[in-house]
Amino acid sequence: NAGVMQNPRHLVRRRGQEARLRCSPMKGHSHVYWYRQLPEEGLKFMVYLQKENIIDESGMPKERFSAEFPKEGPSILRIQQVVRGDSAAYFCASSPVANSPLHFGNGTRLTVT
Amino acid sequence: ILNVEQSPQSLHVQEGDSTNFTCSFPSSNFYALHWYRWETAKSPEALFVMTLNGDEKKKGRISATLNTKEGYSYLYIKGSQPEDSATYLCAFEEQGAQKLVFGQGTRLTINP
Repeated sequence: NAGVMQNPRHLVRRRGQEARLRCSPMKGHSHVYWYRQLPEEGLKFMVYLQKENIIDESGMPKERFSAEFPKEGPSILRIQQVVRGDSAAYFCASSPVANSPLHFGNGTRLTVT
Repeated sequence: ILNVEQSPQSLHVQEGDSTNFTCSFPSSNFYALHWYRWETAKSPEALFVMTLNGDEKKKGRISATLNTKEGYSYLYIKGSQPEDSATYLCAFEEQGAQKLVFGQGTRLTINP
């Protein structure tokens, strides 16, 4: 049973480019969460999605960031017009139901040059 | 803004010694308290989910207690081993919110 798969593991983008981060949850998990870890900081909640629905996006920056979890395929975190401050590790986690332990992926490390 | 504090930030322990560290969280609107272990180059792994005041959970040499009235949880490791070296994260889950608020973690290093 494959765990939560995130790709790419490392992503380098120049300022102004777009970054697309993918997350395939564990089989049978319909709840997906995205967290960000900025340098020297802890995990910060960004967004919580269920299939085709955004449930809570209170941690997402208002501009340039968007997330989706389509009926088919992985969840995507999209960052448009990246800036240096977007450099961070982005972690995806999934769970089978709400309010249960999270299963984390290995993260995508985004570097903006 | 919910505040989840962990102390100490880092800890060095001799192999074979026992240790413990603390997670403080809001005492209102409590739903659950999670503990995760995060080893270097791996992803966080769930240890415990605790929901009831006075709850105690145990997994091998690791155990945790919960006090929701005063807003703290302790994680204990008995007879530390080198493989216990990791960052231990706690996360607070509020009533009605389906997201976790993480503390900064306690980075534990076991010296052989």
